[in-house]
Amino acid sequence: EVQVVESGGGLVQPGGSLRLSCAASGFTFSSYWMSWVRQAPGKGLEWVANIKKDGSEKNYVDSVKGRFTISRDNTKNSLTLQMNNLRVEDTAVYYCGRTYGPGPRYHYYYMDVWGKGTSVTVSS
Amino acid sequence: QSVLTQPPSVSGAPGQRVTISCTGSSSNIGARFDVHWYQQLPGTAPKLLIYGNTNRPSGVPDRFSGSKSDTSASLAITGLQAEDEADYYCQSYDSSLSGWVFGGGTKLTVL
Repeated sequence: EVQVVESGGGLVQPGGSLRLSCAASGFTFSSYWMSWVRQAPGKGLEWVANIKKDGSEKNYVDSVKGRFTISRDNTKNSLTLQMNNLRVEDTAVYYCGRTYGPGPRYHYYYMDVWGKGTSVTVSS
Repeated sequence: QSVLTQPPSVSGAPGQRVTISCTGSSSNIGARFDVHWYQQLPGTAPKLLIYGNTNRPSGVPDRFSGSKSDTSASLAITGLQAEDEADYYCQSYDSSLSGWVFGGGTKLTVL
């Protein structure tokens, strides 16, 4: 079965750090871009970051640039989101997703496999 | 304010047809970037519904269809069923923001 499973969420104080993980199975992980999308409580979806198949390209939404780092280990079929200097507004459910589409650039891509999400709460 | 604008809510009776619009601009939908749609049932993760403007993944009923024109896109649902009650989101790429953008989401209520 093709699936991705997130972990690592929790409660953290403002300014703190958290490391989210995403374990992939059922597909050739190294053949796909991967993405993180978040959803604040009662709000809509927001793209956070994505990473190319071989990790050579990483893209971020402006609000997390310099604070979040996306990475992957193709030998372990795993995706990571390192979140530093967390803010209250980073509170959300974070979804990991397999990312696919036509051509070499992610401009036309979409998430065709979603995990169930992991909850991050930033509060004092 | 989302870059892609969707109506906050739509409703319809079982069996009816509803459409959900997704309005963008010249830096996203109007720039010919594809539009994709996701369905989020209550309390669950989003699920891909339509990709590449008009394509349905395997397993998605043909009651769901997508279209795109100029700076907007639409999701149509025919033969509305109670299980279609969910939030629906459009997604594209924005060249000004250099990243993916989502619509604010539309809550579909089946009356």
